Amino acid sequence: GAVVSQHPSWVICKSGTSVKIECRSLDFQATTMFWYRQFPKQSLMLMATSNEGSKATYEQGVEKDKFLINHASLTLSTLTVTSAHPEDSSFYICSAREKLEAFFGQGTRLTVV
Amino acid sequence: QKEVEQDPGPLSVPEGAIVSLNCTYSNSAFQYFMWYRQYSRKGPELLMYTYSSGNKEDGRFTAQVDKSSKYISLFIRDSQPSDSATYLCAMTLYGGATNKLIFGTGTLLAVQP
Repeated sequence: GAVVSQHPSWVICKSGTSVKIECRSLDFQATTMFWYRQFPKQSLMLMATSNEGSKATYEQGVEKDKFLINHASLTLSTLTVTSAHPEDSSFYICSAREKLEAFFGQGTRLTVV
Repeated sequence: QKEVEQDPGPLSVPEGAIVSLNCTYSNSAFQYFMWYRQYSRKGPELLMYTYSSGNKEDGRFTAQVDKSSKYISLFIRDSQPSDSATYLCAMTLYGGATNKLIFGTGTLLAVQP
């Protein structure tokens, strides 16, 4: 299957700083990528849909100014958590679909201290 | 009512058992159905996808879709300890790459050696 690479796999940052997470489709072009958040023992919560060359579409309740998404090319989308706080600590996962199938990155464990 | 319902488990079975995992859904317009396996602290990996009703088999895994009952299943034959993971069902209205998936909450499976 297709490969989606996410980096970093884990990051620890201080409260108030910003963190950028990258998501790359390695062997296919993805005009659309999806960003999810997952709390322990819970399912994936869709945060936003990232569209190449245009603004991201955010789900209800997700602060677009806090979670900045940039999809500058057909193979790269980035999620920046701005002014991170401890409550932003979570597992963030990106996904891209190739035809019918959705492939996921390895996830990024963010811990804000 | 959630769009997709899935028993969170945990489900514990002995090695070699047949495992049945299930999801129900409320939106009869869903057409594409997927099963993902997620190991702890990793991104989900696609196991199987099916379109509309019917069965699909891949090795020890069989996916079933019953659209009339709005019910999907994943069967695992001859379960192995390496099958221990969280299993997520997902579905979408259309097959296009821009359409988001709706996930169940996931079922935690433990296969005891």
